[in-house]
Amino acid sequence: EAGVAQSPRYKIIEKRQSVAFWCNPISGHATLYWYQQILGQGPKLLIQFQNNGVVDDSQLPKDRFSAERLKGVDSTLKIQPAKLEDSAVYLCASSFPTEGAMSTEAFFGQGTRLTVV
Amino acid sequence: LAKTTQPISMDSYEGQEVNITCSHNNIATNDYITWYQQFPSQGPRFIIQGYKTKVTNEVASLFIPADRKSSTLSLPRVSLSDTAVYYCLVGYDSSNTGKLIFGQGTTLQVKP
Repeated sequence: EAGVAQSPRYKIIEKRQSVAFWCNPISGHATLYWYQQILGQGPKLLIQFQNNGVVDDSQLPKDRFSAERLKGVDSTLKIQPAKLEDSAVYLCASSFPTEGAMSTEAFFGQGTRLTVV
Repeated sequence: LAKTTQPISMDSYEGQEVNITCSHNNIATNDYITWYQQFPSQGPRFIIQGYKTKVTNEVASLFIPADRKSSTLSLPRVSLSDTAVYYCLVGYDSSNTGKLIFGQGTTLQVKP
């Protein structure tokens, strides 16, 4: 079974530039998550989708970050303009919710390491 | 969501059993307890999940007391490859999708 695919793996940009990350979840997984992980910290949830609807984006800095999941499959996370503090690994994960039960088993991609200089 | 507290770091030696305890005093009735493992330069990986008592799989065991205010992840006979960060997560939401809120995790260092 193919895992969660993310691209690019690495990206270096200058501050104030824009950048986009792409995620292809596991086939059939309705729930998709984007996380930001700063070095030495746990992953921070940015946004959670259920199919193509947003479940939670309370921690997404909406003045510069945006995410979409058209057709409920692939997703794109964009940062515009980037700041130095956006340097982090951006992780995408997906899960398959089960009716009437928990669905806390998510599968993560390898992430995109962003460096803002 | 219930907040979790776990040790920042732990050391162990190869072949030993390692127990990592997580406190979650405000756990709600519907909350499940889930543990993830993360190696450097990789995304977290699901290890085990439980609601009460004991759960065991091929990787670990999860012990949950009756009051569910804490849980203990047990790794039998660790090896160097078990060196990783371990996260305890608690949560569940009404939309049938798991709320995956990570804390700082416990960095486990296994020594030879």
